[in-house]
Amino acid sequence: GAGVSQSPSNKVTEKGKDVELRCDPISGHTALYWYRQSLGQGLEFLIYFQGNSAPDKSGLPSDRFSAERTGGSVSTLTIQRTQQEDSAVYLCASSKQENTEAFFGQGTRLTVV
Amino acid sequence: AQSVTQLGSHVSVSEGALVLLRCNYSSSVPPYLFWYVQYPNQGLQLLLKYTSAATLVKGINGFEAEFKKSETSFHLTKPSAHMSDAAEYFCAVSAPGGATNKLIFGTGTLLAVQP
Repeated sequence: GAGVSQSPSNKVTEKGKDVELRCDPISGHTALYWYRQSLGQGLEFLIYFQGNSAPDKSGLPSDRFSAERTGGSVSTLTIQRTQQEDSAVYLCASSKQENTEAFFGQGTRLTVV
Repeated sequence: AQSVTQLGSHVSVSEGALVLLRCNYSSSVPPYLFWYVQYPNQGLQLLLKYTSAATLVKGINGFEAEFKKSETSFHLTKPSAHMSDAAEYFCAVSAPGGATNKLIFGTGTLLAVQP
């Protein structure tokens, strides 16, 4: 596609449920990033994938958060046993290489009730 | 550790007036610095970035920023504000030892443009 695509655009879930957020990066982009934007914490780095290298998971806030990237393309961010503090906009970005411009998707707004 | 501080969470200017959004950084190594803009319900869009080349960086939509090492600043300016500039602006620095786009963001400045 023309840009980074994220789905769903909005997700409301009950506390304790698991959720999966999807990111389709720009075709040919080898690097993919997940960020979280919340009222309390601002914009935070979560995880970064570059090609076939081991992902940089240093920003994941707890072991309830995980992400994978299949076939070097689509990525899924999974949050297990969601808590109210997980409510935020989750942004995905991709770049052609790790040091070139990153393009952001419109985000998934997650609300945990 | 890398960090950025944006002074002023809200800035209001009149249409046609100078826009100045302030960003100061802290970095243990020569930094890569970025300004991003976010329109309502949109993702982030890169305005400009500094990667140790020219200290005056020109970006899209008439914005520019000057890297001043002595002041540890990277303020964003535009000579004449337009109504369409109303948005939230984020300053960011690359985290050390990682990819350029592993970013540490400031808290953002919401720019309002008055007619």
